[in-house]
Amino acid sequence: GAGVSQTPSNKVTEKGKYVELRCDPISGHTALYWYRQSLGQGPEFLIYFQGTGAADDSGLPNDRFFAVRPEGSVSTLKIQRTERGDSAVYLCASSQRQGTGELFFGEGSRLTVL
Amino acid sequence: AQSVTQLDSQVPVFEEAPVELRCNYSSSVSVYLFWYVQYPNQGLQLLLKYLSGSTLVKGINGFEAEFNKSQTSFHLRKPSVHISDTAEYFCALNNAGNMLTFGGGTRLMVKP
Repeated sequence: GAGVSQTPSNKVTEKGKYVELRCDPISGHTALYWYRQSLGQGPEFLIYFQGTGAADDSGLPNDRFFAVRPEGSVSTLKIQRTERGDSAVYLCASSQRQGTGELFFGEGSRLTVL
Repeated sequence: AQSVTQLDSQVPVFEEAPVELRCNYSSSVSVYLFWYVQYPNQGLQLLLKYLSGSTLVKGINGFEAEFNKSQTSFHLRKPSVHISDTAEYFCALNNAGNMLTFGGGTRLMVKP
C-alpha cells in the first residue's frame, strides 16, 4: 500500500484479555517501530525491528508486551493479560534507513481496556 | 539520557497571525531534530528536520525552524497561520540511534 497500515483502528477489550495489533509497513522499508501514545502525551518508544529481528526492545514496559516480525514485513504487537493502564494509541512507523528519524507513521490503533 | 521539552501545551492564535512553538532538548551527544504534525484523526507526518548544515530549515506548509545549539532549542515558526494549521505538533530528537524521543506536544488552535 501507499502508507503504513494499522489494524484494528479501534479495539475495546476487558481487563485480563489478550490483544494483537497489526502493522503493515510501507513496501521496501526495512526498519519498523512501535510507539505508544497516552492521552495528552507524546509518543513513547516501545520496540524497533531491523528486518526480522528486534534490534532494540528497551521500551517495552514489561513482559506482557511482545512483538514479532517473522518475515521482515508485517509486524504484530501482542499484549497479554491487559490492564486498564495499557489503554492508549499504539503507533507503528517504518523507514528506509535507520538513524535519521525520517519515520512514516500509521494512523494508530486505539486500545481501550475496560 | 536525552529529553525534549515543549513548553506550551496549547497555543491559541488568530488566523493570519505569526506563531512560534517552542522546543528545547537535552542530549550529551550530537542530535538530529524533527518536527512532526498530527492532524485530527490522522497519523504523524514529518514537517521538517535538521540533520546538519544550515541551522535554518524549511518544511512543508510554510513552516520553518531554527536550530540553536547554544540554547539547545529548535523552535518552530510560521509567519501567517491558517485555520488548516490547527493540529498537534511534536518536536523530536534522534541521536543517530534507533529511537526518536518526542516532546509532549503543543496543540495549535487557529481561530478565525
